[in-house]
Amino acid sequence: AAGVIQSPRHLIKEKRETATLKCYPIPRHDTVYWYQQGPGQDPQFLISFYEKMQSDKGSIPDRFSAQQFSDYHSELNMSSLELGDSALYFCASSWGTETSTDTQYFGPGTRLTVL
Amino acid sequence: KQEVTQIPAALSVPEGENLVLNCSFTDSAIYNLQWFRQDPGKGLTSLLLIQSSQREQTSGRLNASLDKSSGRSTLYIAASQPGDSATYLCATPVLPGGKLIFGQGTELSVKP
Repeated sequence: AAGVIQSPRHLIKEKRETATLKCYPIPRHDTVYWYQQGPGQDPQFLISFYEKMQSDKGSIPDRFSAQQFSDYHSELNMSSLELGDSALYFCASSWGTETSTDTQYFGPGTRLTVL
Repeated sequence: KQEVTQIPAALSVPEGENLVLNCSFTDSAIYNLQWFRQDPGKGLTSLLLIQSSQREQTSGRLNASLDKSSGRSTLYIAASQPGDSATYLCATPVLPGGKLIFGQGTELSVKP
């Protein structure tokens, strides 16, 4: 069965550089979520999209932006990178309306290292 | 504000033992509760999802229960194997289809 695809899987950047993370949800899934997991921490919600519109926003720095495209893939853009941005970034997708309680399926994550 | 707690943070058991992982939540008005497995540095694998109307779900050697009134969910693993070693996280959405609030996870080690 098709899973959530994230690219790249690993990314190394210097401070103050820009990074773009991509997420391809499971086919027919219309909701995408982004989470950040720091070392030894549980995943923290960043932002989500439903039918290409932002549906919720968490503790996402102003330096980060995201969008969902017409083919439902999503990109997380991170600018002016800081050392503290080093983390595992997960994308998850689910299907249904805003009243759905369906499972969120997670991708393998992108490990971002900021030097 | 929903808070999710998992105790203990780490657990070590000998192979073959049956074990229970605990997950507590502060707001009993949950929509569902999901259990995940995470191997070191890897992604999250969904194990089981229990809807708010259900009391338990089973998949192979795994059984998850939900007691909303007490604010608890448990993940029962039967006949544990070394391959079960991983971190197990529980999570619940703040709204239907909304962001997940995770517990801190229980790191399980099954010794041969």
